Amino acid sequence: AQSVTQLGSHVSVSEGALVLLRCNYSSSVPPYLFWYVQYPNQGLQLLLKYTTGATLVKGINGFEAEFKKSETSFHLTKPSAHMSDAAEYFCAVSDRGQAGTALIFGKGTTLSVSS
Amino acid sequence: NAGVTQTPKFQVLKTGQSMTLQCAQDMNHEYMSWYRQDPGMGLRLIHYSVGAGITDQGEVPNGYNVSRSTTEDFPLRLLSAAPSQTSVYFCASSYNRAQETQYFGPGTRLLVL
Repeated sequence: AQSVTQLGSHVSVSEGALVLLRCNYSSSVPPYLFWYVQYPNQGLQLLLKYTTGATLVKGINGFEAEFKKSETSFHLTKPSAHMSDAAEYFCAVSDRGQAGTALIFGKGTTLSVSS
Repeated sequence: NAGVTQTPKFQVLKTGQSMTLQCAQDMNHEYMSWYRQDPGMGLRLIHYSVGAGITDQGEVPNGYNVSRSTTEDFPLRLLSAAPSQTSVYFCASSYNRAQETQYFGPGTRLLVL
């Protein structure tokens, strides 16, 4: 079964520092890959997704992620953290084609940003 | 567009009681799903539906029931609530597949005593 691993349940950075949130998937066939963000007491919203084509994907709020097939990874980055980036971030995967009936989430990484 | 709406926002139940969590979307989406979110566990899929009249189980279906009689609504029923079902429940929808952008509701916080 498809699975996704997020390394680090909690990441702390200073305002202006690089943000790096790690995600690895298990499938030998590259799945569809997603990053979602959840602000306190809210539902999730899509940051970015990779389906096919360019391996560097740009999302909202200055975030981007790079799909690396050789490393089965889809790490999320942002060059300069802002206080408003403090939230919980979820990596998710879904199989391609008719097998992709479910979106499977990682356990999440909480990002804290200090001034 | 209201998007995805969920009611109630918060509910307290006693063990053994039953209840229905409501979910509705006004985007004409075919795919709808229910997740539960627990600390340190991420979101786990309970049930999903690829269209009216079609439902299937996700990762953690036990103790929950769903039906999809219309495109708009996808209620989640707790048959006999247990403390282990204390969680935050999210409903989500997308155009017609799990691979597409999921739109999430604001969640229902459930406490089972």
